[in-house]
Amino acid sequence: AQSVTQPDIHITVSEGASLELRCNYSYGATPYLFWYVQSPGQGLQLLLKYFSGDTLVQGIKGFEAEFKRSQSSFNLRKPSVHWSDAAEYFCAVFKGTSGTYKYIFGTGTRLKVLA
Amino acid sequence: GAGVSQSPSNKVTEKGKDVELRCDPISGHTALYWYRQSLGQGLEFLIYFQGNSAPDKSGLPSDRFSAERTGGSVSTLTIQRTQQEDSAVYLCASSAGGVWGGEQYFGPGTRLTVT
Repeated sequence: AQSVTQPDIHITVSEGASLELRCNYSYGATPYLFWYVQSPGQGLQLLLKYFSGDTLVQGIKGFEAEFKRSQSSFNLRKPSVHWSDAAEYFCAVFKGTSGTYKYIFGTGTRLKVLA
Repeated sequence: GAGVSQSPSNKVTEKGKDVELRCDPISGHTALYWYRQSLGQGLEFLIYFQGNSAPDKSGLPSDRFSAERTGGSVSTLTIQRTQQEDSAVYLCASSAGGVWGGEQYFGPGTRLTVT
């Protein structure tokens, strides 16, 4: 069955430190991949997406992610974290088969930023 | 312009009662999605609409759940004979250009508590 795994439930980093959030997917074909952020009291917002082409994609708020087919991974990175990045991050896969579609989300990684 | 809106924002109901959750998508968005977010879990994809049509209802948790969309706009998610395990935040999202893996815009959610 198709799935999305975010192995880290919680991550704590210091402000200014680099960040990498892991995402692994299980899907036969090349999927469409997404990262969303859910800030406290706010709705989910798209950070970036990968459909095809360049495997390193840039998103909003200084985030980037790299698609690695050989590792079935789509890890999210940021070189220098800001306190406002504290939020929950979700990786998602879009699957379309025979005219039906589904988004599969990971269980999320909650990021805490230390001042 | 206005984003996705959902009502009510909070709903407390007694076990066994029926509830209706409403979603107003962004004007002109043809695709609409319903998700359930339970405490400590990721987003569970329930159903999507392309226009007024829902081609795949297999994501609905049980036959107590139903959804409809009228006029290509407003959607309602109905839960009959609510159970305590239905307690969750129900999120609605919409996207332009149909269901093809594009950016979803999420509403603030309806927090359902079944007592």
